[in-house]
Amino acid sequence: KAGVTQTPRYLIKTRGQQVTLSCSPISGHRSVSWYQQTPGQGLQFLFEYFSETQRNKGNFPGRFSGRQFSNSRSEMNVSTLELGDSALYLCASSLVTGSGVNEQFFGPGTRLTVL
Amino acid sequence: DQQVKQNSPSLSVQEGRISILNCDYTNSMFDYFLWYKKYPAEGPTFLISISSIKDKNEDGRFTVFLNKSAKHLSLHIVPSQPGDSAVYFCAASLKYRGTGGFKTIFGAGTRLFVKA
Repeated sequence: KAGVTQTPRYLIKTRGQQVTLSCSPISGHRSVSWYQQTPGQGLQFLFEYFSETQRNKGNFPGRFSGRQFSNSRSEMNVSTLELGDSALYLCASSLVTGSGVNEQFFGPGTRLTVL
Repeated sequence: DQQVKQNSPSLSVQEGRISILNCDYTNSMFDYFLWYKKYPAEGPTFLISISSIKDKNEDGRFTVFLNKSAKHLSLHIVPSQPGDSAVYFCAASLKYRGTGGFKTIFGAGTRLFVKA
């Protein structure tokens, strides 16, 4: 099975611009989550989509939004970029195992740099 | 509000010795705890998990211990190998009873160096 793929891998933008990141989950996985990783902060949860609906949301401003398509692919959009948005953005698709563990499979991430 | 804390940013261990990575949490409602490993330029990969009703789970060289009264868990790697050098994230998972799905909160990570 192919893993989680994210495009693009690297992106450079300037303040005030907007950006769209894409994520293709593992085939059969219906849940897609997005995380922001910055040095010293670990992975901060942005939101989760399931069956084209945002199911859960983290504590990020409204400039961060997302959507999920019928084939489970997901996009994340950040508008009016700020310098502090520079980070690694990770997408994960998940599968609940027979024992009830929500195991997440991560893509390689998109490294966003805001100048 | 950091609900999951990894207080050691880095750890250095000699090959063949034990590596112990620690993690503390504040919310007693978490259902599962997980450890992920991350190499540079790759996304985190799942390593091992433990249910909140257990106190130990073992998988090969990796063992996770959970101390619920102290709200503390640790990952033991024995014996440590140079290939284990990576960033290790502790995570805690909570099932949403209302909307469904899970909320997973990650710690800041501990960078493990295993010296040959």
